[in-house]
Amino acid sequence: TQLLEQSPQFLSIQEGENLTVYCNSSSVFSSLQWYRQEPGEGPVLLVTVVTGGEVKKLKRLTFQFGDARKDSSLHITAAQPGDTGLYLCAGVSGTASKLTFGTGTRLQVTL
Amino acid sequence: DAGVIQSPRHEVTEMGQEVTLRCKPISGHNSLFWYRQTMMRGLELLIYFNNNVPIDDSGMPEDRFSAKMPNASFSTLKIQPSEPRDSAVYFCASSLNRGDEQYFGPGTRLTVT
Repeated sequence: TQLLEQSPQFLSIQEGENLTVYCNSSSVFSSLQWYRQEPGEGPVLLVTVVTGGEVKKLKRLTFQFGDARKDSSLHITAAQPGDTGLYLCAGVSGTASKLTFGTGTRLQVTL
Repeated sequence: DAGVIQSPRHEVTEMGQEVTLRCKPISGHNSLFWYRQTMMRGLELLIYFNNNVPIDDSGMPEDRFSAKMPNASFSTLKIQPSEPRDSAVYFCASSLNRGDEQYFGPGTRLTVT
């Protein structure tokens, strides 16, 4: 069974702070995706990283895929209340691109 | 675009009753996925279809669960009989083809008492 552990599970910070969320696995994935989910809604894809060591930036969000394609991180600079939500990583494997979701990190950003 | 449509949004039922969840994927999408989300287990893939054919149902918890996709624009997930441990949010997602970005519906919150 492929497991993706995210840390921390919960994070409450003030606006303007920086934070990093980690996603770790013992399995190798062909690619890794990050999603954000808001209450009452389904997850929405933020980014897909494919190559080991790859770094992608999406405004204040920086995503990195580990060299061995087993882990990833999400760094948010100068967090804003609009960043509040559940962040999920998902490993992609197999020819059908089956997704295995991580345990999730619930982020709350307050004024 | 309407996005993925799920119904009902909320369902409360008693143990032993049959529950049917419905999903309409995005028009033109060829792959459809059913997920279940709970606090304890997170988001889990139950089954997925490609071109209306079930490809992998290894995530279906037990025989009480069944899923169908009679045509490209409709899928159902049925639980019979339902049990309290089935309480969760059930999501449907679709993608253009296998391997493409998945678009999630708003989910159905199921409560079995």
